[in-house]
Amino acid sequence: DSGVTQTPKHLITATGQRVTLRCSPRSGDLSVYWYQQSLDQGLQFLIQYYNGEERAKGNILERFSAQQFPDLHSELNLSSLELGDSALYFCASTDGRGGNTGELFFGEGSRLTVL
Amino acid sequence: AQSVTQLGSHVSVSEGALVLLRCNYSSSVPPYLFWYVQYPNQGLQLLLKYTSAATLVKGINGFEAEFKKSETSFHLTKPSAHMSDAAEYFCAVRYRGSTLGRLYFGRGTQLTVWP
Repeated sequence: DSGVTQTPKHLITATGQRVTLRCSPRSGDLSVYWYQQSLDQGLQFLIQYYNGEERAKGNILERFSAQQFPDLHSELNLSSLELGDSALYFCASTDGRGGNTGELFFGEGSRLTVL
Repeated sequence: AQSVTQLGSHVSVSEGALVLLRCNYSSSVPPYLFWYVQYPNQGLQLLLKYTSAATLVKGINGFEAEFKKSETSFHLTKPSAHMSDAAEYFCAVRYRGSTLGRLYFGRGTQLTVWP
């Protein structure tokens, strides 16, 4: 158990819909990362938050947005869903303090299927 | 461009045989290096990491990896494969000087272990 909790584990929805994925980082971790894993693209970095503020953006579509709340949990919002958005979405966390040699701790992911 | 390359998307070995999974990075400055394992329907779990201490790094489950600067490589090995090693393995890097902490992942290598 990594200590990172993601909900829901599975989600099936239709094209055009909107979903929200939730992540609770490890206790004490300030940094949260979102990754998308798909067969054709592999593991793609989407976005990072640190202590409530956006720190870095990767290959995140404009239809997607995220935020980190004061209690440090994070949500990834996916809207106007397309078939190609079907993927496994991972949240990862790290304490983010001091040096950057530490690993990321990953949740078990949220599997999104868009029909 | 900074990147991580895993040679071979699929590797098959017999139980008891040597496991060798290849990873090369592209960077003028040696990065921090990580190997993660992903079992079916699970998140990514850290196997080991290199952060510029010893070049031979030992990880969990009998895995180890050697950092070779001259070859820009960080190959993962295990002397004797076990059926339980069947999983997907990801090499990842974090570039020195980066305060953002994100990891760049390779495309992964699926390891199959035959009885």
